[in-house]
Amino acid sequence: GQNIDQPTEMTATEGAIVQINCTYQTSGFNGLFWYQQHAGEAPTFLSYNVLDGLEEKGRFSSFLSRSKGYSYLLLKELQMKDSASYLCAVSLQFSGGYNKLIFGAGTRLAVHP
Amino acid sequence: DSGVTQTPKHLITATGQRVTLRCSPRSGDLSVYWYQQSLDQGLQFLIQYYNGEERAKGNILERFSAQQFPDLHSELNLSSLELGDSALYFCASSVGWRGGGTDTQYFGPGTRLTVL
Repeated sequence: GQNIDQPTEMTATEGAIVQINCTYQTSGFNGLFWYQQHAGEAPTFLSYNVLDGLEEKGRFSSFLSRSKGYSYLLLKELQMKDSASYLCAVSLQFSGGYNKLIFGAGTRLAVHP
Repeated sequence: DSGVTQTPKHLITATGQRVTLRCSPRSGDLSVYWYQQSLDQGLQFLIQYYNGEERAKGNILERFSAQQFPDLHSELNLSSLELGDSALYFCASSVGWRGGGTDTQYFGPGTRLTVL
């Protein structure tokens, strides 16, 4: 089956750096997404990795190792508004070429002053 | 604002009833996806449509059905509602459906369904 694991909760201090890990066991891997979701709101796209390595985008970076089934999201210079859930989602490709996104349960990040 | 719209924002109904949730994708997007998010649970994929045709199915109950219309808007119909159907229902859209460059999905604001 498909399995995606991420820590349930994390806390960090304003201005610090936090790394949110995601491990996955899937077949038909076709990329990994990170989304941010504030409580009761829509998930918003943060990053996409399909090749191994680090993708940097402002304060947010995402890393992927396909051989290890591992990704992380790195948030720098944390701000209070970064308090949210961070969703790891694996894109799986099925016969016929279509893709399906499988989401992890999300990591709830609380940023404290 | 992702450009995906959903109506209504909130819906309160009773067990056994039927409701319809509506979604309009971003301009130019041909795929629409429906997700369910229950309290403290992850996003569960329900169903995907591409240009009017069903493309993929997830954990969608038989009491639920969906369609995508020629103008590309989509509706999710939930019938014989149960208390456990109370959840946030999100619609997302993307440009296409094929792999080799997975389409990024952009989410609408969601419809909060409460079944009493």
